Amino acid sequence: DAGVTQSPTHLIKTRGQQVTLRCSPKSGHDTVSWYQQALGQGPQFIFQYYEEEERQRGNFPDRFSGHQFPNYSSELNVNALLLGDSALYLCASSLTGGPDNEQFFGPGTRLTVL
Amino acid sequence: AQKITQTQPGMFVQEKEAVTLDCTYDTSDPSYGLFWYKQPSSGEMIFLIYQGSYDQQNATEGRYSLNFQKARKSANLVISASQLGDSAMYFCAMREGTGGGADGLTFGKGTHLIIQP
Repeated sequence: DAGVTQSPTHLIKTRGQQVTLRCSPKSGHDTVSWYQQALGQGPQFIFQYYEEEERQRGNFPDRFSGHQFPNYSSELNVNALLLGDSALYLCASSLTGGPDNEQFFGPGTRLTVL
Repeated sequence: AQKITQTQPGMFVQEKEAVTLDCTYDTSDPSYGLFWYKQPSSGEMIFLIYQGSYDQQNATEGRYSLNFQKARKSANLVISASQLGDSAMYFCAMREGTGGGADGLTFGKGTHLIIQP
């Protein structure tokens, strides 16, 4: 049973560029949440996707956008990259209406903006 | 106000000792869930234990237990018989609302636990 997978593992971009990160949820899960974790901090919630729509959003600018596909996988897009966007980006999957305790994370994508 | 507060930035503990990691939370929602995650240097968040706000018993998972004191709004993680492999960052997180995957988690700033031989 595959867990949550994310790609790529590492990414280096320059300021002003755009980036796309990918996440495949755990088998049986239909909800994907994205988090940004700056160095030395706890993760911060970006947004959540369910039924191919953004259901909930944290305090992030609209440079951060996403998409969910019919197979429940998801993408996180960040436009006009800033140095401050350098972070570990974590994806978590869960099942809406399922057990409360299921929020499983992927290994993350480490983004460096130069 | 901080929704999740972890007051111990770092802790050193001798191997085989028990360790308690503190977490206090703030919410006005009667329905919420509390999570603890372990994050080794590789970066992956590993789920350890969960406590629902309506759960009567303190949660336990192997060497992990959660000391849930609802009136004090605290949810401390207790690791019994610590091992060298327990060295990592530990995060407390909260989900507010009905759950079942419907809500994003709010995380604390974490505690860096180092187990010494």
